[in-house]
Order: sequence, then structure tokens, then C-alpha cells
Amino acid sequence: EAQVTQNPRYLITVTGKKLTVTCSQNMNHEYMSWYRQDPGLGLRQIYYSMNVEVTDKGDVPEGYKVSRKEKRNFPLILESPSPNQTSLYFCASSLELRPSYNEQFFGPGTRLTVL
Amino acid sequence: RKEVEQDPGPFNVPEGATVAFNCTYSNSASQSFFWYRQDCRKEPKLLMSVYSSGNEDGRFTAQLNRASQYISLLIRDSKLSDSATYLCVARRNNAGNMLTFGGGTRLMVKP
Repeated sequence: EAQVTQNPRYLITVTGKKLTVTCSQNMNHEYMSWYRQDPGLGLRQIYYSMNVEVTDKGDVPEGYKVSRKEKRNFPLILESPSPNQTSLYFCASSLELRPSYNEQFFGPGTRLTVL
Repeated sequence: RKEVEQDPGPFNVPEGATVAFNCTYSNSASQSFFWYRQDCRKEPKLLMSVYSSGNEDGRFTAQLNRASQYISLLIRDSKLSDSATYLCVARRNNAGNMLTFGGGTRLMVKP
């Protein structure tokens, strides 16, 4: 089944404890992206990747890191989580972004609470 | 001011009603537009793209007005299963950082 998977789905952690949220897609998509969703603010892009070893900042990259060593995986790393990073996180992928738009497929989301 | 703005609702409508949502965008360089649907605590899924000439997909009609910078979604003959949050999305005219999401409009269809 074609899908985007994220792990963990739920995580409660404490301030400063490094964590990684994994994202994997099995559709051979070039483009992958991370978003966070907060009430009243909608989805905001954190980082994106156009292809392997190519990553760039989105709208709200502070406090996050990403890597794209393989096409299928795009982990999100919080080196020192803080309470303002409590949010619902979505990973998304699409075949490519140019020349025309291809639908972005979203993972099921990771609900993160930082105490 | 947010780049893509929507009325958060909720819109409470009876089954069978017609309901319309509007969305405004501020970045005149936005190239294309979409409506995504998000069920409670689930991931967003593409509902439909929005074309300049307007487009229809079954009970759903999307319109784009570039001069006034707004997008609309019309749902006819509402079903209970239409209850969800509808996200207005604009595609930016630059590399990579492609999609800007509105905050969403919540629709609740009642029996």
C-alpha cells in the first residue's frame, strides 16, 4: 500500500531531551516536507527536501534539524526540545514539485508534548 | 496578517444544505490553489485543485478570483460525511517552500 508513515504517533517528553521523529514513504517520491499544526495557525512548513541530500528551511525551522540520506526517509530531529514545540507534526511527500504540482500525501501525524 | 485567511467557523448546517466557504490570500505571486480536507485528528487529504475558470467535482465546486484574491468552495446537498475541516492552500511562486495553508474552516453537518 502506497503510504507515508511516521513514528512515533504520540510522544511525551521533557525539555532538553533530544528526540527524532521518523518519516518514511514507499512511493519513490522526490519531495518530502515537515509541517507543524497548531490551533489557529494552520499548517506551517518546518523543512523540506527536493531530493536526496538536498534540504532547505521552511517557515518555522528554528529548533529543528532534518536529513535526507535516502530517498524514502526524512527524519525530523529536535536537539533540545522546548515546550513551544508541543504540536501536531505531519510529514508529507509528493512525486516532484516542478514543473507542475503533484498532490502531497501526508503521514498520519505525530502528536508531541514537551513538558 | 496571515498569507492565507479563512473563517474558522464552525459552520453548522443541516443535511442537504448548500454551504460556501471563502478564503483570501495576500501573496499575489501565488500560482495555484487547492482545497484540502482534514478529518478530526487525521492527516489532510487533497479534495480538489482550483482552476481560474472554476471547476466542479460532483457536489463540490471551486472558484478562483485572482483580481480580488479569493478562493471559494461550494458544497451542495451536504452529507453527514462532509463534516470536516476544509483547508485553503496556496502554492507560492518560489522553489521548494511551495504550499501555504489557511487555518481551516470547520464544517459540521447535522441530521
